[in-house]
Amino acid sequence: DIVMTQSPLSLPVTPGEPASISCRSSQSLLQSDGYNYLSWYLHKPGQPPHLLIYLGSNRASGVPDRFSGSGSGTDFTLKISRVEAEDVGVYFCMQALQTPTFGGGTKVEIK
Amino acid sequence: QLQLQESGPGLVKPSETLSLTCTVSGGSISSSSHFWGWIRQPPGKGLEWIGNIFHSGSTYYNPSLRSRVTISADTSKNQFSLKLSSMTAADTAVYFCARASMIRGVISGVDPWGQGTLVTVSS
Repeated sequence: DIVMTQSPLSLPVTPGEPASISCRSSQSLLQSDGYNYLSWYLHKPGQPPHLLIYLGSNRASGVPDRFSGSGSGTDFTLKISRVEAEDVGVYFCMQALQTPTFGGGTKVEIK
Repeated sequence: QLQLQESGPGLVKPSETLSLTCTVSGGSISSSSHFWGWIRQPPGKGLEWIGNIFHSGSTYYNPSLRSRVTISADTSKNQFSLKLSSMTAADTAVYFCARASMIRGVISGVDPWGQGTLVTVSS
């Protein structure tokens, strides 16, 4: 299995400030087609998870442009340019190159 | 707007078979651009991909669960289902159904997800 490692586990944030979450995979997620099969999700309390970023850096429909994804191969980052109160929840990454596996999650909360 | 909703028992006895159904509204499970999956999350633990079914009816199961899992679809009802046999306490989890988009047969993203349903295994 491809192991996904996220950091930090918990991220206290100040509204208006930037935030960054790291996701590392035990194997490269870059395919010969040029795509990184890495996606990011947000699981807000009381709601189902929803897709933020797919193929490493593409924002899903309706996702605010303060969210961005970057990275390639084994190292990926989700950035929030200016955190808003509604961004609290658990963020997780997922690889789909093999049997999908997930990062352990990063809990974002307001300071 | 596509929505998914899981249904099934919240309590299952050890050794029994869990049966869950995911009802899809606002779109068709016959779409050739997507497939339909089950994911679970035990309390306090990470997410685990259980398996998925394609519009053709072919399935993929996580090797760790393959011997116990069956996923099927009923296109007439726009539903797909999960059966997990020989349940134990380790199978206690929130079970999600979800739609996955794919590129060249590989998942590009999973969205939307159902709300999830908690299944507890206990006698």
